[in-house]
Amino acid sequence: GAGVSQSPSNKVTEKGKDVELRCDPISGHTALYWYRQSLGQGLEFLIYFQGNSAPDKSGLPSDRFSAERTGGSVSTLTIQRTQQEDSAVYLCASSFTGNSPLHFGNGTRLTVT
Amino acid sequence: TQLLEQSPQFLSIQEGENLTVYCNSSSVFSSLQWYRQEPGEGPVLLVTVVTGGEVKKLKRLTFQFGDARKDSSLHITAAQTGDTGLYLCADLTTSGTYKYIFGTGTRLKVLA
Repeated sequence: GAGVSQSPSNKVTEKGKDVELRCDPISGHTALYWYRQSLGQGLEFLIYFQGNSAPDKSGLPSDRFSAERTGGSVSTLTIQRTQQEDSAVYLCASSFTGNSPLHFGNGTRLTVT
Repeated sequence: TQLLEQSPQFLSIQEGENLTVYCNSSSVFSSLQWYRQEPGEGPVLLVTVVTGGEVKKLKRLTFQFGDARKDSSLHITAAQTGDTGLYLCADLTTSGTYKYIFGTGTRLKVLA
């Protein structure tokens, strides 16, 4: 079956513009995570969705960042008024349950000029 | 807040050499995982360890979990160029909600 799919794979945007990043998790996976990875470093937790529960937004760095998950499947991460420090690879992962191993997409590389 | 520190940060070795990388936690691990990430891809799970003192082997990779469950090591025997990548440890934290947090990573380059 298909793995986690993220789009676009690369995004270049001008400072101040809004961007939307999309994640299609593995079918049947109830948990979905967004992480940010800067310059090949470790992963910074952003937000976590589990089933119909309220998302854990504790990792979002500012109110310019938001995410939603429609119908318990596809998720969109939105960054408003992008800044140069937002440049990074944004990784999405899904898992069968909240404590199952993660399956990652290949990420979206965001460059803010 | 739990912190996962990995060392070394960077490692460059010749093919055929052995190496060990480490992951240390500021608190007891709940469920330690090791991932490997290759350039342009997402991390891929290598192993999960949950019991203190546990040792797991995956071909040339040996994973060890400390008795106190606050540290872990990954040993690679006779490294190959295909082992090149970013090695990440992760823990499942249950502070509030289930949430995986990741270490700082060790970037390994194996030279032919």
